Amino acid sequence: KQEVTQIPAALSVPEGENLVLNCSFTDSAIYNLQWFRQDPGKGLTSLLLIQSSQREQTSGRLNASLDKSSGRSTLYIAASQPGDSATYLCAVVVSNTGNQFYFGTGTSLTVIP
Amino acid sequence: NAGVTQTPKFRVLKTGQSMTLLCAQDMNHEYMYWYRQDPGMGLRLIHYSVGEGTTAKGEVPDGYNVSRLKKQNFLLGLESAAPSQTSVYFCASTTDRFRAEAFFGQGTRLTVV
Repeated sequence: KQEVTQIPAALSVPEGENLVLNCSFTDSAIYNLQWFRQDPGKGLTSLLLIQSSQREQTSGRLNASLDKSSGRSTLYIAASQPGDSATYLCAVVVSNTGNQFYFGTGTSLTVIP
Repeated sequence: NAGVTQTPKFRVLKTGQSMTLLCAQDMNHEYMYWYRQDPGMGLRLIHYSVGEGTTAKGEVPDGYNVSRLKKQNFLLGLESAAPSQTSVYFCASTTDRFRAEAFFGQGTRLTVV
């Protein structure tokens, strides 16, 4: 069974700092990896989708990389802002059970003004 | 564009009562999913559907039933609610489970007393 781990579980940084969130997965046979943002009491909002054939995706201040062979992805947030405070989740779609997204438990990010 | 809409947003049930959660999407997506989110455990798949009239079990299906009579709607039923079903329930949909991003509803917070 695919296991997805996100470290750290919580992170607190001062405004303006660049930061990296980590996601690792045990089964490298994935179709894609998706990063989500979840605000307290809200649903998940898709941030970036990386296909298994891609190495990275960028959207504004966000950059996600994927190293399938080592089972790792990172989400880089540049020039962090208080509005970035949220929980960030990664999820993978595995080749042999393509109907399911396997989620990590998330990293709770607090950006201090 | 409403995206994915869940009804209701909050509900309190007594043990043994039944209820139905409704998920509606207006994006003409084929694939729909029901997840539950519990502290420290991440999101776990309950049931999913790959098209109108189809349903299948996910990781934690016991105590739940689903139906997909119309393409845009995916219903999750609890026949006899138990305290262990206290959770936040999320519906998601996608047009292509391998190549497209997933869209999530805002969640239903269910408490069983």
